[in-house]
Amino acid sequence: QKEVEQNSGPLSVPEGAIASLNCTYSDRVSQSFFWYRQYSGKSPELIMSIYSNGDKEDGRFTAQLNKASQYVSLLIRDSQPSDSATYLCAFRYAYSGAGSYQLTFGKGTKLSVIP
Amino acid sequence: GAVVSQHPSRVICKSGTSVKIECRSLDFQATTMFWYRQFPKQSLMLMATSNEGSKATYEQGVEKDKFLINHASLTLSTLTVTSAHPEDSSFYICSARDPKGLAGYNEQFFGPGTRLTVL
Repeated sequence: QKEVEQNSGPLSVPEGAIASLNCTYSDRVSQSFFWYRQYSGKSPELIMSIYSNGDKEDGRFTAQLNKASQYVSLLIRDSQPSDSATYLCAFRYAYSGAGSYQLTFGKGTKLSVIP
Repeated sequence: GAVVSQHPSRVICKSGTSVKIECRSLDFQATTMFWYRQFPKQSLMLMATSNEGSKATYEQGVEKDKFLINHASLTLSTLTVTSAHPEDSSFYICSARDPKGLAGYNEQFFGPGTRLTVL
């Protein structure tokens, strides 16, 4: 059973602080990992992809992947009220076949950045 | 990122009618597209995987005769909700896989979604 666990939140952080979002997954052969941001009433928007162990930085966002421990995290530095949204982590398995490009999504963590 | 459009953005229809939703990849060719449904305050639910030129693969519990998917070209997939009923009211979102994405990640990019309300 492919599973992704995320704390549903809400996670509240003050403006300017670092927001830390975490996600664990159940399958060791997962290959690619993604973070999506979804504003209320809107569709998900891809903000980060990570493939290798370690950190990947893009602007105020840093994704961290630890395959041995089966977790992926997203850090948002200098959090802004506009970062308030639900953050979905997703992963894809490394196998071929009809479902090889499907993503398994977590239920999302709701982040609130307080001005 | 790559751009995916979806049309219409919002539709209100009477019970028993059919509704067609279009999903287009605007600046890349999408061999694979996905259709999701999302109810308020719930997570995304994958309905089906659509591959260009072949039949869609439906997830367990999704009626393929009710949710007709056609992926006729590398840039267009359509979802038709046939004989819609109030319980079909939901937010329908498509995504498209970019096979030439950065570092070969095959990222999925989402369309803006279609909010369906069946009266």
